[in-house]
Amino acid sequence: GAVVSQHPSRVICKSGTSVKIECRSLDFQATTMFWYRQFPKKSLMLMATSNEGSKATYEQGVEKDKFLINHASLTLSTLTVTSAHPEDSSFYICSARRQGDVGGPDEQYFGPGTRLTVT
Amino acid sequence: GQQLNQSPQSMFIQEGEDVSMNCTSSSIFNTWLWYKQDPGEGPVLLIALYKAGELTSNGRLTAQFGITRKDSFLNISASIPSDVGIYFCAGPYNTDKLIFGTGTRLQVFP
Repeated sequence: GAVVSQHPSRVICKSGTSVKIECRSLDFQATTMFWYRQFPKKSLMLMATSNEGSKATYEQGVEKDKFLINHASLTLSTLTVTSAHPEDSSFYICSARRQGDVGGPDEQYFGPGTRLTVT
Repeated sequence: GQQLNQSPQSMFIQEGEDVSMNCTSSSIFNTWLWYKQDPGEGPVLLIALYKAGELTSNGRLTAQFGITRKDSFLNISASIPSDVGIYFCAGPYNTDKLIFGTGTRLQVFP
């Protein structure tokens, strides 16, 4: 169990266009999902926390108007990169938090990532 | 801000050798997580540590939660080619957010 999918796995778009990435928890419900960005040979950096039914919270330095997040259901969060530019090219990874068993910790499960290339 | 520094940055070893890597923090963590990331994939949780001094194994992997709560160690015994990848430590902050370490890139040669 605890599978998280992302779609698409790869996307190439032209500068100035917008791209939507989906993150789904397939076998559990997630009130909280997270979006990370990873540049080549670098670590994962948290961009924002996606909360079902409420506004996302963004990390310092991440433009909320550029990276639109919608968490409309307990199994789906979307990240839309608006007016994409070449510097937005990166590997975007989502994770979903699954509530732990009674007395146990919550766990985050990661999606397989989406590679965005902006030309 | 918080930083998790991993050492070494990269390792090139021969199949069958043992591997050790560590993760250090400038602040205390109550949980340490170790992930592996294959190329073009998301990270996968290997081991979770919840108590200072804890030593936990998962097959050929063993991880330890440092007594000071500012470090953690991961050992891989008898490495095999499929151990290739990037290993990240991570720790939670602000309740449920994760900060990831700088990563250790492992290459295993047959």
